[in-house]
This record gives sequence, structure tokens and C-alpha cells, in this order.
Amino acid sequence: DAGVIQSPRHEVTEMGQEVTLRCKPISGHNSLFWYRQTMMRGLELLIYFNNNVPIDDSGMPEDRFSAKMPNASFSTLKIQPSEPRDSAVYFCASSPRSVGYTFGSGTRLTVV
Amino acid sequence: AQRVTQPEKLLSVFKGAPVELKCNYSYSGSPELFWYVQYSRQRLQLLLRHISRESIKGFTADLNKGETSFHLKKPFAQEEDSAMYYCALSGTNTDKLIFGTGTRLQVFP
Repeated sequence: DAGVIQSPRHEVTEMGQEVTLRCKPISGHNSLFWYRQTMMRGLELLIYFNNNVPIDDSGMPEDRFSAKMPNASFSTLKIQPSEPRDSAVYFCASSPRSVGYTFGSGTRLTVV
Repeated sequence: AQRVTQPEKLLSVFKGAPVELKCNYSYSGSPELFWYVQYSRQRLQLLLRHISRESIKGFTADLNKGETSFHLKKPFAQEEDSAMYYCALSGTNTDKLIFGTGTRLQVFP
């Protein structure tokens, strides 16, 4: 099992551009989570899905952020338009059921 | 409200010294508590869960419901323990994990 796979590992983009982060969860895990990690705020839950359905998106900072999970093996987090304050490491995690998450390696996003 | 508090941003000790990383939580029901570790520029990894009551890499954590704490302890710190440690809480009937802000442990030789 390759674990949770995120792409890209690093993304540098200019302010105003659209950014799409991708995640492939572990097969059989029915929950998927997107977190943002910054020095100031630590780990913040942005949104999570259960059986491909968004359950809680209260952590999504604003309308510029959107997330989809079209099937059990793929999810995207999109930022449009991106801003410098969006610079952070974005982690995806999956879980079979509240037994502890498996995290991906993260995407380090830099918006200049 | 659900909340996890890790009061120390940084904890520095010398090799061989005891370590205690503090975690306090706020939750109205019966939570599940976890510790995650993140080594430099790596992904977060589950270190231990209160339910399993196990010791991983010499670390233990006991859930104290009276004090609403789940402190992480190790009697003799090693240099390779240097990392970020996150305490996390999950409530009943939810898969959502709430994380604390993390404590960076530095173990000096």
C-alpha cells in the first residue's frame, strides 16, 4: 500500500492564479480530510468527506476555496484566485473510521 | 466546544532527561485522544492512541478525565525524538480530528 498520495509536492504560483491540489486516499478508507498547516495556526481542518460526501466544510476559509471528491479514490482542493496568505502546507489524510488518520506527505504551496 | 490545548510551543531538553509534553482538552462527551508526531519535513504519523494504552518508542500517555489531560511522557529523551508533537481529539459519532497547535521538542546531545 502506497499510503495517501498527494500531488504536487511543491507548488509555486503567482497571486491570482488558480491552484489545484490532489489527493488519492488509501483504498477502503471511507473518510478523507484536508488540513492546512501554518506556523501561526498549526493544523486547521478545512473540510472532510465521508463516503465521498462533504460532511463538514466549516473550516474552509472563504469562497476562494473549494473541494471535491468525485469518487472514492480521488479528491481535489482548489484555490481560485490564490493569495500570498494561502501559502502553507496542505495535508490530505484518510481514515477507515476514527482509528487514527494516515496522512499524505503534503503539498507545500507558495503564492508570490 | 471541542478544543485541544498544548501550552508549550517549544520544549528543550538534554539527551537522557525526562520529557512531558502537555495536552489538555475540552469536550463534553467521551473523546478519543491521540498523539501524532511530525519529524522534520515529513508527514504526520500516529504515535499512539489512548484506547490502545501502548508504549511506542518509549512514549506513553494516560488519559486523565478528571484533569481533562493527555500528557505525553518519556523517561529518557533521545536525540531522534526531536520533532513536532500534536495532540488530537476525536469525539463520538464523528471522524473529525481536532488538533492542538503542537509542541516542538528539541533534544540536545
